Amino acid sequence: GAVVSQHPSWVICKSGTSVKIECRSLDFQATTMFWYRQFPKQSLMLMATSNEGSKATYEQGVEKDKFLINHASLTLSTLTVTSAHPEDSSFYICSARDPRRGLLETQYFGPGTRLLVL
Amino acid sequence: GESVGLHLPTLSVQEGDNSIINCAYSNSASDYFIWYKQESGKGPQFIIDIRSNMDKRQGQRVTVLLNKTVKHLSLQIAATQPGDSAVYFCAENTAGNKLTFGGGTRVLVKP
Repeated sequence: GAVVSQHPSWVICKSGTSVKIECRSLDFQATTMFWYRQFPKQSLMLMATSNEGSKATYEQGVEKDKFLINHASLTLSTLTVTSAHPEDSSFYICSARDPRRGLLETQYFGPGTRLLVL
Repeated sequence: GESVGLHLPTLSVQEGDNSIINCAYSNSASDYFIWYKQESGKGPQFIIDIRSNMDKRQGQRVTVLLNKTVKHLSLQIAATQPGDSAVYFCAENTAGNKLTFGGGTRVLVKP
């Protein structure tokens, strides 16, 4: 299947700092990528849909000014957690659809980025 | 089964036995369903999918059954192996081509 990478795989930061997470589609161009957050022993919750060349669409309850998403190219989307606080500590996972396989095809997930805010 | 809050239901299965994981979905308009496997510290890995115009689909050692009448999805794993130990999530494709994930089931394979 298609390959999606994330960087970094884990990050520890101080409260109040900003952290950027990258999501790349390695062997296909993704016009749409998705960002999820997963707390321990819980399911994945969609945060936002990242659209190449346009603004991201955020799910209800997700602060767009806190979680900045940039999808500047067809292979890269970034999520920046601004002014991170301990409650933002979580596992952040991105995914992308391979457009060559049509709309009703599965999303391919990255390996995730574990964020710990001290 | 599904979980609520911080408790993941766990299915313990003997190596070599068959596993059945169940999932109830919420949206009768969902047209596409996927099962994912997630190992600790990793992203979800695609296992098998099924469209709403089907009721059964088979892959290698896995079978997905879809019952639209009761909005139920199941994943059957044949001859469960230690490498199958993971958390399994069902996901439904909803409006706007978004995925909504179920609560997850942990599968523990006993040697």
